[in-house]
Amino acid sequence: NAGVTQTPKFQVLKTGQSMTLQCAQDMNHNSMYWYRQDPGMGLRLIYYSASEGTTDKGEVPNGYNVSRLNKREFSLRLESAAPSQTSVYFCASSEFAKRMFFGSGTQLSVL
Amino acid sequence: TQLLEQSPQFLSIQEGENLTVYCNSSSVFSSLQWYRQEPGEGPVLLVTVVTGGEVKKLKRLTFQFGDARKDSSLHITAAQPGDTGLYLCAGAWGSNYQLIWGAGTKLIIKP
Repeated sequence: NAGVTQTPKFQVLKTGQSMTLQCAQDMNHNSMYWYRQDPGMGLRLIYYSASEGTTDKGEVPNGYNVSRLNKREFSLRLESAAPSQTSVYFCASSEFAKRMFFGSGTQLSVL
Repeated sequence: TQLLEQSPQFLSIQEGENLTVYCNSSSVFSSLQWYRQEPGEGPVLLVTVVTGGEVKKLKRLTFQFGDARKDSSLHITAAQPGDTGLYLCAGAWGSNYQLIWGAGTKLIIKP
């Protein structure tokens, strides 16, 4: 009963390095999301995919790219990491945002 | 820009006390969801309220949706240390693919 699985759990990058966060869900949901969570700021939407084959920008998309590989998988890429991207990242899936299921998060530090 | 304001941002009380957390907006939402997040984990849905004036109970937790569907409250009776966590409200609107998130209330219940 995996739900939403995201990897890695922790990551430390140097400024300018790139990395991809992986996310997979096994609930057959159409919609998938990437959020970042910073202290006192709640969850901010980076990108979302309403259905397989579509992606759209959220509130804070700059510096990120996404790929909806198939219905199960939605990855987030940082091409050139910056200290401002230090955050906790969450992947989520749902059907029409009626109930969000979240992964356990990736704690990313950019030095 | 739609906003959801949660108050208080932080609350630390003794076991057995009652408390209320508020989620307010100037916008009307089709539904409002409450989540609880524990350290190192993603948020988990507690309840969804849909109808103006609706009240839902989950053991010692009582959730209310305002008559105008612009605000909501979470009341905890006789708080327990197990209630400790970050409580987030999220409003559904528009395209049905996104939620508007409050910044959260960090609740600590001391034994």
